[in-house]
Amino acid sequence: DGGITQSPKYLFRKEGQNVTLSCEQNLNHDAMYWYRQDPGQGLRLIYYSQIVNDFQKGDIAEGYSVSREKKESFPLTVTSAQKNPTAFYLCASGGMPQTYGYTFGSGTRLTVV
Amino acid sequence: GDSVTQMEGPVTLSEEAFLTINCTYTATGYPSLFWYVQYPGEGLQLLLKATKADDKGSNKGFEATYRKETTSFHLEKGSVQVSDSAVYFCALSVHGSSNTGKLIFGQGTTLQVKP
Repeated sequence: DGGITQSPKYLFRKEGQNVTLSCEQNLNHDAMYWYRQDPGQGLRLIYYSQIVNDFQKGDIAEGYSVSREKKESFPLTVTSAQKNPTAFYLCASGGMPQTYGYTFGSGTRLTVV
Repeated sequence: GDSVTQMEGPVTLSEEAFLTINCTYTATGYPSLFWYVQYPGEGLQLLLKATKADDKGSNKGFEATYRKETTSFHLEKGSVQVSDSAVYFCALSVHGSSNTGKLIFGQGTTLQVKP
């Protein structure tokens, strides 16, 4: 079955370390997105990519980086420059979002220890 | 610009009560409208959608009608169950705007259903 997979589900990071969250989709979607969600809050867009080898900053890109070398993969790196990285991170993909919306992964919960 | 406003939560209901979660929008082009549901610790799932005015989306007993005249897409269910407890997000995607291809989400409304 087609879908979008995020891994790991839980991730712990020491302060000062970079960490990479994985997002893979087999839906043949062109566009992929990363969101951050804090407890009791809505979604905030970090980065998005509408085509391979191209990506744009969202509303809260500082302290994060991404790459889009393959259509299926859109990894997110949380760098040590991100001051408050503890959050729930959601990846999504879209083929024709204006008609079908997005498909979301199950999320990665990152905790700084 | 394009935006979505949802009623603030939490909404607390007893089982079998009628549910309405209000959603209104502003859009610079021709939006498609969506409702997503998020269960605790999970990602968002598409609940229903409507792509043009007067369309009604429905799924799992939930309904929402795209009302262009009131720029609204309110979510309704006739009889809620405890298993409906979740966070509900209203979203839009606008054709022909600077946000083409992106979904704009509301802040989410938490629904708690008590037995």
